[in-house]
Amino acid sequence: AQRVTQPEKLLSVFKGAPVELKCNYSYSGSPELFWYVQYSRQRLQLLLRHISRESIKGFTADLNKGETSFHLKKPFAQEEDSAMYYCALQVINYQLIWGAGTKLIIKP
Amino acid sequence: EAGVTQSPTHLIKTRGQQATLRCSPISGHTSVYWYQQALGLGLQFLLWYDEGEERNRGNFPPRFSGRQFPNYSSELNVNALELEDSALYLCASSLMGQPADGYTFGSGTRLTVV
Repeated sequence: AQRVTQPEKLLSVFKGAPVELKCNYSYSGSPELFWYVQYSRQRLQLLLRHISRESIKGFTADLNKGETSFHLKKPFAQEEDSAMYYCALQVINYQLIWGAGTKLIIKP
Repeated sequence: EAGVTQSPTHLIKTRGQQATLRCSPISGHTSVYWYQQALGLGLQFLLWYDEGEERNRGNFPPRFSGRQFPNYSSELNVNALELEDSALYLCASSLMGQPADGYTFGSGTRLTVV
């Protein structure tokens, strides 16, 4: 079955602390994985894609095929990182399978 | 450049009625995707249109349907509305065959069924 699991609905960390948002997937094919972010009152937008291996806004994510994970990490959280984060898996026919999302709150 | 626009922003309907939601893609984008986001759940894929054809549909009953017009705008129709259809409906557009980092999302239509 194709599935994306984000085990934490809510994650609260202090400013300057490291952040890790978890994402696990289930897919028999070669995964294409993405992180999307939605800031308050803004549209859903792409944060990063695993193939590009870029660091966007200080966030990185490594695909671990052995653990079927694609966790999103940032070494030092900033208050503007507070948002909803969604992990998504692209399967055949460009369909995206989404996790339920994690609300990240950065405390001052 | 105008982004993906969706209308209306809010829609309130009675159970059993029909709802029509509209989406205008970014200029040059031929693909339109519809997603349902129910409260507390992730986005669920509904439909994908490209060049006027339905290319794929998610696991939703046939009362969810739509179409794409020659100008690539799209309509999502939900017939015989049920209370559980209450959700945010998001539209995204892309160039045909572009992986998900090419998606641009609209702000959504909040459908409430009472």
